[in-house]
Amino acid sequence: AQRVTQPEKLLSVFKGAPVELKCNYSYSGSPELFWYVQYSRQRLQLLLRHISRESIKGFTADLNKGETSFHLKKPFAQEEDSAMYYCALANAGKSTFGDGTTLTVKP
Amino acid sequence: EPEVTQTPSHQVTQMGQEVILRCVPISNHLYFYWYRQILGQKVEFLVSFYNNEISEKSEIFDDQFSVERPDGSNFTLKIRSTKLEDSAMYFCASDPPGQSSYEQYFGPGTRLTVT
Repeated sequence: AQRVTQPEKLLSVFKGAPVELKCNYSYSGSPELFWYVQYSRQRLQLLLRHISRESIKGFTADLNKGETSFHLKKPFAQEEDSAMYYCALANAGKSTFGDGTTLTVKP
Repeated sequence: EPEVTQTPSHQVTQMGQEVILRCVPISNHLYFYWYRQILGQKVEFLVSFYNNEISEKSEIFDDQFSVERPDGSNFTLKIRSTKLEDSAMYFCASDPPGQSSYEQYFGPGTRLTVT
């Protein structure tokens, strides 16, 4: 069975501070991992996928198979980063989401 | 940029009634999904649909639920006899063909309220 754990329900940082949103997963095969973001009153949208190894809006995430983690990081948080962030694991046919972390960036 | 659309944005229904939630996926996408999110809880997978049949479904997706792609553009979720606990936000998603599969594009959601 596949499982995604986001241990922090709420995370609050000051503008300009580094931020790390934690994600751990459990999956027997080779995982495809994603971060989705949901800004207030907007739809879920893809932020990052591990296979592309890209940086979007200053965010990066590295897949660590040894620790079964896919933490999302940004060196300098901005107020507009305040949103709900979901880590998701996908295989053919479905995605399993974590509980989500609400990030608040204070001025 | 093309988007997944969903109608209605909010549906109120009485317990025991049937509801149909509608989605228009992005036109060249091949996989379609329904998820739900009960208020304050996580996004939960319901069902995936590919090549005009269910690809995978969760334990939530029982006999009360059905999906259909009636006309090649709409993708519907039907709940036959709604229960109070079906109240949730329902999200449709689709993903494109090719190597970037599993990268899902979500609709804005339909808020279903069962009274």
